[in-house]
Amino acid sequence: KAGVTQTPRYLIKTRGQQVTLSCSPISGHRSVSWYQQTPGQGLQFLFEYFSETQRNKGNFPGRFSGRQFSNSRSEMNVSTLELGDSALYLCASSGGQGGEQYFGPGTRLTVT
Amino acid sequence: QQQVKQSPQSLIVQKGGISIINCAYENTAFDYFPWYQQFPGKGPALLIAIRPDVSEKKEGRFTISFNKSAKQFSLHIMDSQPGDSATYFCAASYRSGNTGKLIFGQGTTLQVKP
Repeated sequence: KAGVTQTPRYLIKTRGQQVTLSCSPISGHRSVSWYQQTPGQGLQFLFEYFSETQRNKGNFPGRFSGRQFSNSRSEMNVSTLELGDSALYLCASSGGQGGEQYFGPGTRLTVT
Repeated sequence: QQQVKQSPQSLIVQKGGISIINCAYENTAFDYFPWYQQFPGKGPALLIAIRPDVSEKKEGRFTISFNKSAKQFSLHIMDSQPGDSATYFCAASYRSGNTGKLIFGQGTTLQVKP
């Protein structure tokens, strides 16, 4: 099976802009979770989607949002970008309740 | 109570030696404890995982030891190789709560010297 894919892999944006990141889970996986990775804060949970419904949400401002489509693909959006949003954004998929999570390669977002 | 504390922050081991990374948690509701390995420029890769009903799990050179009463778990890498040089993350989640949310430790950078 193909692994988790994320697009784009690299992105440079300016403060105040918005960005949309995409994640395609492993075929058959219905759960998608998003994480932010920074040197200072490490890996932090953003949100989790299962069958197009947000099942869990981390402690991030409302500028961070996401959605999941009927084919399990997911997108996350960050509006009004700040310099501190520069990070590696990781998507992980799992088969659902109790399944192991498998990560994609991430999208490296740089905000200037 | 949601934290997972990981130590050491960095570790240098000679080839053939044993690498040991420790994690501690507070939330007794956690029921799934995976370890991830991450190479530069890559996403974390699931290495091995354990549930609290067993005290040890071994897969090849990698072993998780779990101490439920102490709320601690550790990763042991036997016969460490230069190719094991990477960042290792422990994590915990409450899978019985129907969530995949992982709480990660801060990571340990392992360097295995030839």
